[in-house]
Amino acid sequence: NAGVMQNPRHLVRRRGQEARLRCSPMKGHSHVYWYRQLPEEGLKFMVYLQKENIIDESGMPKERFSAEFPKEGPSILRIQQVVRGDSAAYFCASSPAPTYNEQFFGPGTRLTVL
Amino acid sequence: GDSVTQMEGPVTLSEEAFLTINCTYTATGYPSLFWYVQYPGEGLQLLLKATKADDKGSNKGFEATYRKETTSFHLEKGSVQVSDSAVYFCALSVDGGSYIPTFGRGTSLIVHP
Repeated sequence: NAGVMQNPRHLVRRRGQEARLRCSPMKGHSHVYWYRQLPEEGLKFMVYLQKENIIDESGMPKERFSAEFPKEGPSILRIQQVVRGDSAAYFCASSPAPTYNEQFFGPGTRLTVL
Repeated sequence: GDSVTQMEGPVTLSEEAFLTINCTYTATGYPSLFWYVQYPGEGLQLLLKATKADDKGSNKGFEATYRKETTSFHLEKGSVQVSDSAVYFCALSVDGGSYIPTFGRGTSLIVHP
């Protein structure tokens, strides 16, 4: 049973470009969560999605960031016009239901903005 | 709101030393409590959890007891190994709430041979 998959593992972008991060949840999981981990800081919640729905985006910056989880395919976190401050590790987690109270994390995408 | 406070790191120990990483919390409801571990270059993995007061979670020699009276969930291990070097995150989620966990800032553990 494959775990949570994220790609790419490392992504380098220049300021102003777009970054697209992908997350495939564990088989049977329909709940996906995105987190950002800045150097020397903890894990910050960004957005919680179910298939085709955004449930909670209270941690998402209002501009340049968007997320989706289509009926088919992986969840996508999109960052438009990246800036140096977006450099961080972005983790995706999945669970079979929110009440399961355990999340399964992917290995993360490390975004570097030059 | 909900919050988790962990002791600041890094915690540096010699192999076979005793480990304690302190964690305290505030929660608006009745939380479940977790410890996650992040090895270098990897994502977080659940280490142990406890869902009600006085429960003890344990795994791989690590233990933590849910103390409601002191709102604490301290992580302990009797004899650490070099392979335990990692970042440890305390977290909570509240049943009946959004279920989105709240994480502490993480505590880095470095174990020397």
